[in-house]
Amino acid sequence: EAGVTQFPSHSVIEKGQTVTLRCDPISGHDNLYWYRRVMGKEIKFLLHFVKESKQDESGMPNNRFLAERTGGTYSTLKVQPAELEDSGVYFCASSGRQGFNEQYFGPGTRLTVT
Amino acid sequence: KQEVTQIPAALSVPEGENLVLNCSFTDSAIYNLQWFRQDPGKGLTSLLLIQSSQREQTSGRLNASLDKSSGRSTLYIAASQPGDSATYLCAVNNFNKFYFGSGTKLNVKP
Repeated sequence: EAGVTQFPSHSVIEKGQTVTLRCDPISGHDNLYWYRRVMGKEIKFLLHFVKESKQDESGMPNNRFLAERTGGTYSTLKVQPAELEDSGVYFCASSGRQGFNEQYFGPGTRLTVT
Repeated sequence: KQEVTQIPAALSVPEGENLVLNCSFTDSAIYNLQWFRQDPGKGLTSLLLIQSSQREQTSGRLNASLDKSSGRSTLYIAASQPGDSATYLCAVNNFNKFYFGSGTKLNVKP
């Protein structure tokens, strides 16, 4: 069974540009989460999808971030326009059931904004 | 708001030693707690998941305990090996989102 995959593994963009990160969860997992770790800080929750619906987006930093999960399969996280402070590692996780199941994390996308 | 603290921030031990990593959290209303390992430049590997109703979980040389009432968890690693060198993260699940600690960076010297 394939794990959670993320693309790209690394992205370098200039301030003001747009970047789209993709996450493919484990097949059959309805729950999909986005997290990020910015330099020197702990990993922080961004948002949670149940199928195609946003269950909790309380961690999204501002309206420059837009997450979608059309059809309830893969998800994208778009940053537009990117700022320097958006640099960090963006992780995606999925789980088969809310709350009690463990979350399986992808390898992360390292975003560098110059 | 949930806050998760991990102590120590870094630990260096000789091979073969038993060791304990600590995790504390401020809000005891949790679904579960998960310990992860992260190697440099890699993603998170799940080590152990403890549900809120459980006291401990074991996998090989790893044993994790949970004392929800006092807001504490420990990860015990027996007979450490150089391959155990990594950053260990504790994550507490409150209402479907994880709150992470800053991690303990472990170095096991041959």
